Amino acid sequence: LAKTTQPISMDSYEGQEVNITCSHNNIATNDYITWYQQFPSQGPRFIIQGYKTKVTNEVASLFIPADRKSSTLSLPRVSLSDTAVYYCLTFGNEKLTFGTGTRLTIIP
Amino acid sequence: ETGVTQSPTHLIKTRGQQVTLRCSSQSGHNTVSWYQQALGQGPQFIFQYYREEENGRGNFPPRFSGLQFPNYSSELNVNALELDDSALYLCASSLIENEQFFGPGTRLTVL
Repeated sequence: LAKTTQPISMDSYEGQEVNITCSHNNIATNDYITWYQQFPSQGPRFIIQGYKTKVTNEVASLFIPADRKSSTLSLPRVSLSDTAVYYCLTFGNEKLTFGTGTRLTIIP
Repeated sequence: ETGVTQSPTHLIKTRGQQVTLRCSSQSGHNTVSWYQQALGQGPQFIFQYYREEENGRGNFPPRFSGLQFPNYSSELNVNALELDDSALYLCASSLIENEQFFGPGTRLTVL
């Protein structure tokens, strides 16, 4: 059974750029890839969504290669408040699937 | 704040009981998805409703059932509760295939 996988954890210093990759080899052809941020005891919060190539908004960029079997969330100049768990979300086999989640810790 | 509300916030039940969780979707959204998130795990997709019809289901047994109402609010029902059903239950509303907006969740504890 294909899984949507992410690195378990990452540490970064304040002010650095952080890249988190999600592997989703079972994604549906026409499905968007969405990334969420989650703080303890809260619902996930939308960060960015894309279909292919590159998408940028005011908080992040999303890079998607041509085969769409992975995606990379890029957070520029992280701060302490970016400490959270980050998930990718895809649709495939008629199911919505969250990635395994990456716990990002920002170090002062 | 996403505009998605869930009730109750917390709930304690015993094994074998039944529970109903409720979700009010964001205005204008016609799709509601439900997820189960065990402690320390990522959300697991339970099912999705689009315009009152089930539109996809994850690997959950039939004792997990749902409804979507004409105003697009939704219920999640779980029968014959088991200890492993203890989790945070999240609902998310959206326009189909678009960005999902999550509610704060309902924390269910089964004793």
